Amino acid sequence: LAKTTQPISMDSYEGQEVNITCSHNNIATNDYITWYQQFPSQGPRFIIQGYKTKVTNEVASLFIPADRKSSTLSLPRVSLSDTAVYYCLVGDMGAEGRRALTFGSGTRLQVQP
Amino acid sequence: DAMVIQNPRYQVTQFGKPVTLSCSQTLNHNVMYWYQQKSSQAPKLLFHYYDKDFNNEADTPDNFQSRRPNTSFCFLDIRSPGLGDAAMYLCATRIGTADNSPLHFGNGTRLTVT
Repeated sequence: LAKTTQPISMDSYEGQEVNITCSHNNIATNDYITWYQQFPSQGPRFIIQGYKTKVTNEVASLFIPADRKSSTLSLPRVSLSDTAVYYCLVGDMGAEGRRALTFGSGTRLQVQP
Repeated sequence: DAMVIQNPRYQVTQFGKPVTLSCSQTLNHNVMYWYQQKSSQAPKLLFHYYDKDFNNEADTPDNFQSRRPNTSFCFLDIRSPGLGDAAMYLCATRIGTADNSPLHFGNGTRLTVT
């Protein structure tokens, strides 16, 4: 199972763009990259997922280079409510669903006014 | 519209007294996971079910057991809780047959051991 590495913490100000990078050097061919957001006393919440190149939804963008050994979550114009822990998860989402899905250490984002 | 429901949200048990945490889902997902999350740490996978097929992580203590009587429900049994088992316990589900199916989490049960 691919191991992920993220910065432990990041600070930003409201209105700025935040980019959080995750390294996953041992990613397997059939692994997807998924990002989750977690607020205190809540379960993680799905943000975005991708396999290669760029994915964008109403919340974030995900950039994945051609070698797929890293990925960058981009949050445009953050607000105070984006203060949370962000986890990058790499795992086989294959049909058997038998691969364990293991979280990395996560990045604690603090947004200041 | 909670789709993964964990009960109770807060559970207090005594040292050594068995406790059961429950998780139910309305998504009809065939894979269910139990994670343990201690303060300021990432969720740690304990085990998961693919339908009725149980998959235990190698480092999950024997003190932790799980049951899945049907698709909708999954239980986490802690046979003899120790102080070190105090944590948030998270249940998650996903569709096992879709390559890009994400995890859906409940809001967890916070376990206190006195």
